[in-house]
Amino acid sequence: QVQLQESGPGLVKPSQTLSLTCTVSGGSISSGGYYWSWIRQHPGKGLEWIGYIYYSGSTYYNPSLKSRVTISVDTSKNQFSLKLSSVTAADTAVYYCAREAPSGGDDYWGQGTLVTVSS
Amino acid sequence: DIQMTQSPSSLSASVGDRVTITCQASQDISNYLNWYQQKPGKAPKLLIYDASNLETGVPSRFSGSGSGTDFTFTISSLQPEDIATYYCQQYDNLPRAFGQGTKLEIK
Repeated sequence: QVQLQESGPGLVKPSQTLSLTCTVSGGSISSGGYYWSWIRQHPGKGLEWIGYIYYSGSTYYNPSLKSRVTISVDTSKNQFSLKLSSVTAADTAVYYCAREAPSGGDDYWGQGTLVTVSS
Repeated sequence: DIQMTQSPSSLSASVGDRVTITCQASQDISNYLNWYQQKPGKAPKLLIYDASNLETGVPSRFSGSGSGTDFTFTISSLQPEDIATYYCQQYDNLPRAFGQGTKLEIK
């Protein structure tokens, strides 16, 4: 059974960089066939797709965040990571990592982690 | 970018009712549409992919239909445990995009 777990600081100061890691267990990122995604949800709001990465390192970012987002993968640790720079209060959200299956659906999700941007 | 519009934004129904949610894409996405269920404090759960295919383990009272720009999600007989917010998502193009969600409540 594939499991994903987000980790990282729950509080980030404005203008700093938000950094989160997603650790995958029960399956290998480097086996291929899946994209590894970051999705966020502002408090009480809907879902916003941030971007994804393939095990090879190929990425795609949402143009709305592209200038501030970096997603990377560490296949040796079976992890992928999100960095979001120059954060503001508008980046306060629950951040989810997820696996996008070949069918296009995100079939496995982490539990989500709340990141608050505040001084 | 493709925009996804769901309706209604909220819905109140009784146990046993048939419930229908619609999702419209701003351009043709063929059948590249997913439906998710999200309960409070939990991650979304994939229910339906490719517009009409039920994810393994999902009860058969859930169904989806449509292609092109217009899609429908149906719960044939609403159960108390179905109280949640439901989202559609297109995966025809990048960036992926979700509908704004439909909050389902028990009447």
